[in-house]
Amino acid sequence: SQTIHQWPATLVQPVGSPLSLECTVEGTSNPNLYWYRQAAGRGLQLLFYSVGIGQISSEVPQNLSASRPQDRQFILSSKKLLLSDSGFYLCAWSLGGEQYFGPGTRLTVT
Amino acid sequence: AQSVTQPDIHITVSEGASLELRCNYSYGATPYLFWYVQSPGQGLQLLLKYFSGDTLVQGIKGFEAEFKRSQSSFNLRKPSVHWSDAAEYFCAVQWGSEKLVFGKGTKLTVNP
Repeated sequence: SQTIHQWPATLVQPVGSPLSLECTVEGTSNPNLYWYRQAAGRGLQLLFYSVGIGQISSEVPQNLSASRPQDRQFILSSKKLLLSDSGFYLCAWSLGGEQYFGPGTRLTVT
Repeated sequence: AQSVTQPDIHITVSEGASLELRCNYSYGATPYLFWYVQSPGQGLQLLLKYFSGDTLVQGIKGFEAEFKRSQSSFNLRKPSVHWSDAAEYFCAVQWGSEKLVFGKGTKLTVNP
């Protein structure tokens, strides 16, 4: 069966520091991968999605970036965090239909 | 732009009562429809999905949803709510091969 992992589970970072969140999927090949951010009361915001290695589409222009160095690995990064980057970050995978979500990373920027 | 509306931000029901959470979507091509549930601090779990066929779909945890094309709706129902159902519920819609569009969620509180 397929599983999706995210780490770290929680992270507290100062403003201006770099960020790297990792997501890996097991048990499937060539999935579509997604990064979402969930801020309080604002639902889910799609940040990036990828249909293959090295293929990244950005939905929201901001100081975040994403990379997909391997088929089942998706990384969310920032060179300098802003206070507004705080939130709950969710990774998801799909094969074209329903999406399956990871457990999330709670990021607090102080 | 295509959109998904969950008109109720917060609903409170008593344990054992019936539940209906509303979801409406803007007109577009034949949609794929989903309901997800999220417990505090957790990821989203798929409750049920509709792609085609019978418009009443059964999901996990005793939930069901009915697709009504004429009303552009996909409401989630449960005949008898349990305290463990307290969570936030998200409706999501996919038009063709486009990305999922999520509603803003409905938070469910269950009173004992």
